[in-house]
This record gives sequence, C-alpha cells and structure tokens, in this order.
Amino acid sequence: SQTIHQWPATLVQPVGSPLSLECTVEGTSNPNLYWYRQAAGRGLQLLFYSVGIGQISSEVPQNLSASRPQDRQFILSSKKLLLSDSGFYLCAWSVTENTEAFFGQGTRLTVV
Amino acid sequence: EDQVTQSPEALRLQEGESSSLNCSYTVSGLRGLFWYRQDPGKGPEFLFTLYSAGEEKEKERLKATLTKKESFLHITAPKPEDSATYLCAVQANTNAGKSTFGDGTTLTVKP
Repeated sequence: SQTIHQWPATLVQPVGSPLSLECTVEGTSNPNLYWYRQAAGRGLQLLFYSVGIGQISSEVPQNLSASRPQDRQFILSSKKLLLSDSGFYLCAWSVTENTEAFFGQGTRLTVV
Repeated sequence: EDQVTQSPEALRLQEGESSSLNCSYTVSGLRGLFWYRQDPGKGPEFLFTLYSAGEEKEKERLKATLTKKESFLHITAPKPEDSATYLCAVQANTNAGKSTFGDGTTLTVKP
C-alpha cells in the first residue's frame, strides 16, 4: 500500500532563517506531488505541484521554492523565512492530475 | 476564477440528528469535486469524488451528492466520532492538478 511521510511535525524558526521540509511517498511510481499551506480555520492553498522529476509549477508568488530531486521526494524550501510564512504545510500525492489527493500529516511551522 | 463556498462554517448536532453540509462552487467546466475529512492537527483524509451532476456516493453514514452548482454531504444518524472539519474541493477542466478548496465546515456531534 502507498504511504506518505512528511517531517518534521512541528518547527519553530526565527525570521530570516532557512527552511527545508521534506516529503516522501512509498509504494507508487511517478506520483503527482503537491505542497499546500493552510491558515487557521481556512481551506488549503496550493503552493506547488509536480508531475515529474524536476518539473515544478508554482501557484503563488512568494519566497518559497520547491524541488523534486527524486521520483518520490518533494522538498519545500526557503532561503529567508518571513513571519507570514507561518502556517500548516501539507504534502500530498495523487495518481493522476484528475484524481483525489492523499495527504501527509502536515508540518506546523511557526516563524518567530 | 474558481470559487468554493461551504456552509455552514460550523454545525453542532446531537448524536443521531441527521443533517447536510453544503458546498457551492463556480468553475469553468467541472472536472471533479472532492470531499475530505480533516481531524484537528492532521492532514485531510479523502472521502469521495464526484464527476457529474446527479452522481451520488455513499460511505457508512455519509452520502455525497452533486448538482451543476453545488454538492451536499448528508450525514445520517451521526456519532461523536464523525466530529471533524469537512472540506470540499473542485478541479476545473482547464486547471488539471489544481484543486480549489473551500474553508470547510466544522462538525461537532454531541453524545
């Protein structure tokens, strides 16, 4: 069966520090991968999605970036965090672009 | 621009008291509508996908229906373990891979 791993679960980082969140998927090949952010009490905002290695689409202009160095690995990064980057970050995968997404457990990021 | 509006924002029910959650959407050609359940501090869990008006899906006490403008999630005889936030998302034919989410309905079922 397929599983998705996302870490860390919580993170507290100072303003201006770098960020690296990692997500890996097991049990499937060539998944579509996604990074979402969720503000408190709100729905999910799509940040990046990838249909293959090295193929990244950015949905929201910001100081975040994403990379897909391996088929089942998706990384969210920032060189310098802002206070506004605080939130709940979720990685997800799907079989195709049209099908349901399966989410990781999320990372609660607090920028102080 | 695709839009999803969920109502009510919060719903409190007594155990066994059936009700419905609403998801109204505006999209230029619906590719699919998704329902997810999210527990506090966790990632969303997939429930249903609906593709065309008139389609219905069921799972235990939940039933999802779809019209051309909205979807309903019907909860029959809910139990306290059904308490969660329910999220609706749509995908447009012109935006493959890009789901637009509503803000969710937080359901609380009291014993």
